[in-house]
Amino acid sequence: DQQVKQNSPSLSVQEGRISILNCDYTNSMFDYFLWYKKYPAEGPTFLISISSIKDKNEDGRFTVFLNKSAKHLSLHIVPSQPGDSAVYFCAASVSNSGYALNFGKGTSLLVTP
Amino acid sequence: EAGVAQSPRYKIIEKRQSVAFWCNPISGHATLYWYQQILGQGPKLLIQFQNNGVVDDSQLPKDRFSAERLKGVDSTLKIQPAKLEDSAVYLCASSPMGVGTDTQYFGPGTRLTVL
Repeated sequence: DQQVKQNSPSLSVQEGRISILNCDYTNSMFDYFLWYKKYPAEGPTFLISISSIKDKNEDGRFTVFLNKSAKHLSLHIVPSQPGDSAVYFCAASVSNSGYALNFGKGTSLLVTP
Repeated sequence: EAGVAQSPRYKIIEKRQSVAFWCNPISGHATLYWYQQILGQGPKLLIQFQNNGVVDDSQLPKDRFSAERLKGVDSTLKIQPAKLEDSAVYLCASSPMGVGTDTQYFGPGTRLTVL
């Protein structure tokens, strides 16, 4: 039962433009959300997170938006750079629990020069 | 600060053989996780340790998989006997406290191929 869904397996964007990666979740208990980035042959690395008490969190070129009523979050990368080409995983957790992350299947982003 | 270390990086075995993976978490991190990532999927938690106690092993196939965390530091994950469907990348992660808002730091993973 996939509780975190990334429905776009891949996305191609030109350098300098905006990349928008989407994620939906079904479990209303989730209140903490993260994005991880993964290069080939490496483990995922933490990118940015957001708590459900916020609807936006920004870190440099990366912004995550959360729409709780729609159970939807998105990651915006502006401007996109070729080094951003990687697989991006959305993950969710229940913040007051000791349990691990629920991951989506990932979206492969390709930023072309 | 050294990251999460895993070995081996790659392993090829035949079905019904045994295999073991090793993980050394970031120093001082209380929580250690083992994830299985099958090609085209996101990581799926197999087991979570808090110090040397098991917090969650509900998705660990206990008839063939076992894991331990020695003295609350290093951990090993074993598969015995392996099946074809165990082919995956096995990721180890650690976090400072294991609460829901912790950042998890991942190792590079061990890619297992079962023939």
